[in-house]
Amino acid sequence: GQQVMQIPQYQHVQEGEDFTTYCNSSTTLSNIQWYKQRPGGHPVFLIQLVKSGEVKKQKRLTFQFGEAKKNSSLHITATQTTDVGTYFCAGPRSGGGADGLTFGKGTHLIIQP
Amino acid sequence: DVKVTQSSRYLVKRTGEKVFLECVQDMDHENMFWYRQDPGLGLRLIYFSYDVKMKEKGDIPEGYSVSREKKERFSLILESASTNQTSMYLCASSGNSILSNQPQHFGDGTRLSIL
Repeated sequence: GQQVMQIPQYQHVQEGEDFTTYCNSSTTLSNIQWYKQRPGGHPVFLIQLVKSGEVKKQKRLTFQFGEAKKNSSLHITATQTTDVGTYFCAGPRSGGGADGLTFGKGTHLIIQP
Repeated sequence: DVKVTQSSRYLVKRTGEKVFLECVQDMDHENMFWYRQDPGLGLRLIYFSYDVKMKEKGDIPEGYSVSREKKERFSLILESASTNQTSMYLCASSGNSILSNQPQHFGDGTRLSIL
């Protein structure tokens, strides 16, 4: 079935450094979503990408969807302590949208002040 | 703002017990989901539902069942709890569309320990 691979599993950065997490799917995705989970919290929706080659920005966060719609990335510029948490990508379990989401295993962002 | 409420934050049960985890959402969402979250494994879908009385198996349904008697409530049932079901359980809901995925809104989770 659908698999979504996410790397790295852990990323340690100094505050102010940049951070990137990558997501790869075994199949073409109709869309991809990104979530953030703070320590002790629950996943919170960040964004959805739908179009091939799409790039969206939210302040210091930049999200990209690959041309082949099989990979995606999240880049954070100049990390801050508030960015700490686990970032998940998620794609449809089936080709369309009728069967829920498959989540990547997440990237844990650890920031050293 | 969407509110997804899970009945317990922490729960301790014994092996062999029948366990009920309750989830209620207040946004009139058609779609509801149950996941378990384990270290290094991410979120894995157990069951989901697109309508009252309707249920679909997710990726790891074995040992679980669900009930959706009312639109706002989705219950996860562990028929006979086992220690390998010790985990964090997350409920989520999303708006209605069968053509594309809508953002999912999560509850705070129930940390279940089976002794």
